[in-house]
Amino acid sequence: NAGVTQTPKFRILKIGQSMTLQCAQDMNHNYMYWYRQDPGMGLKLIYYSVGAGITDKGEVPNGYNVSRSTTEDFPLRLELAAPSQTSVYFCASRGTDYEQYFGPGTRLTVT
Amino acid sequence: GDSVTQMEGPVTLSEEAFLTINCTYTATGYPSLFWYVQYPGEGLQLLLKATKADDKGSNKGFEATYRKETTSFHLEKGSVQVSDSAVYFCALSDYKLSFGAGTTVTVRA
Repeated sequence: NAGVTQTPKFRILKIGQSMTLQCAQDMNHNYMYWYRQDPGMGLKLIYYSVGAGITDKGEVPNGYNVSRSTTEDFPLRLELAAPSQTSVYFCASRGTDYEQYFGPGTRLTVT
Repeated sequence: GDSVTQMEGPVTLSEEAFLTINCTYTATGYPSLFWYVQYPGEGLQLLLKATKADDKGSNKGFEATYRKETTSFHLEKGSVQVSDSAVYFCALSDYKLSFGAGTTVTVRA
């Protein structure tokens, strides 16, 4: 099992550009999550999904969108990138004991 | 809502010292409790978990016991190594994870 995979690992965007962060899991988990981690801080929940076709907002959803067309994939879309979105983004999926498994992260810089 | 409070860092120790990181929680139900570890430049890894009161999670020499009476889940390791230098997060879960702020641990040789 690959677990949770994320692409790209690094990305630099100009202000106003858009991009999609990819996330996939091969554990057949229904719940998936997107977090952001700012330097020296904990994680903040952006969006989550309880299954294909169902998504909901977390603590900091503004400036982001998600979709969940399959159990495996949960992409995060950034529209009109802003410097405040410079962060490390982690995707995760949830196992049967409510534990979450994290991907390696995407480091995004908006300049 | 549900929340986690963990000991502030940073914590600096010598190799073979005893490590404890305090974590307390507030929850309306009966959440599962977790410790995650994040090594520099990496994602979060599940270190250990406990799903009900009095459960003890353990992994890589680390232990934590789910104490309902004190609403605590303190992390302990008897003899730390340089390779244990990382940020440790306490978390609880119902439909989502609520994280503590993280404790940075540095172990000196």
